[in-house]
Amino acid sequence: GEDVEQSLFLSVREGDSSVINCTYTDSSSTYLYWYKQEPGAGLQLLTYIFSNMDMKQDQRLTVLLNKKDKHLSLRIADTQTGDSAIYFCAESGGSQGNLIFGKGTKLSVKP
Amino acid sequence: KAGVTQTPRYLIKTRGQQVTLSCSPISGHRSVSWYQQTPGQGLQFLFEYFSETQRNKGNFPGRFSGRQFSNSRSEMNVSTLELGDSALYLCASGALGTDTQYFGPGTRLTVL
Repeated sequence: GEDVEQSLFLSVREGDSSVINCTYTDSSSTYLYWYKQEPGAGLQLLTYIFSNMDMKQDQRLTVLLNKKDKHLSLRIADTQTGDSAIYFCAESGGSQGNLIFGKGTKLSVKP
Repeated sequence: KAGVTQTPRYLIKTRGQQVTLSCSPISGHRSVSWYQQTPGQGLQFLFEYFSETQRNKGNFPGRFSGRQFSNSRSEMNVSTLELGDSALYLCASGALGTDTQYFGPGTRLTVL
């Protein structure tokens, strides 16, 4: 079935790199996404990667895709307190044409 | 371009009432999807509309319905509210030919 798994919590120190991991099951997904949700807010699209790519870099964000293991990661360089939020991994290609989301990883950045 | 807007941002209703939520997509986007977010179930897909037609539907009871207007604005309606309908309802819009969805700020519904 369709499923996206993420660890629930990650804590890092300001200035360190954060790596948030995700595994997915649908190998036919065309795109894989990372969204950020701050308290009381909606989902902000951070970045996405096409399924035929291995890596995508966008300023402080690096997305790595391992298609063989169906593993996606988001690396945030020089993590700041403003990066504290919940990060959702999502895959396209749900059976109803929808996005399938993980439960979200809560990133806490300590000063 | 303005982002996805949702109104109202907050709603408090009582069991048995009905509620209508509104979503205006990004200008030029014709696809609107709705998701329900709860702490227990996470993000669950409700339905998707494209050009005034429901294109896809998630596994929610018939109390949940929606529609889309000719200007792509969408509404969702929940009838006979239950306590379990308390959630953040998120609307997302997408451009033709892409799976990428952009989300609004959500409507926080509390059912007492």
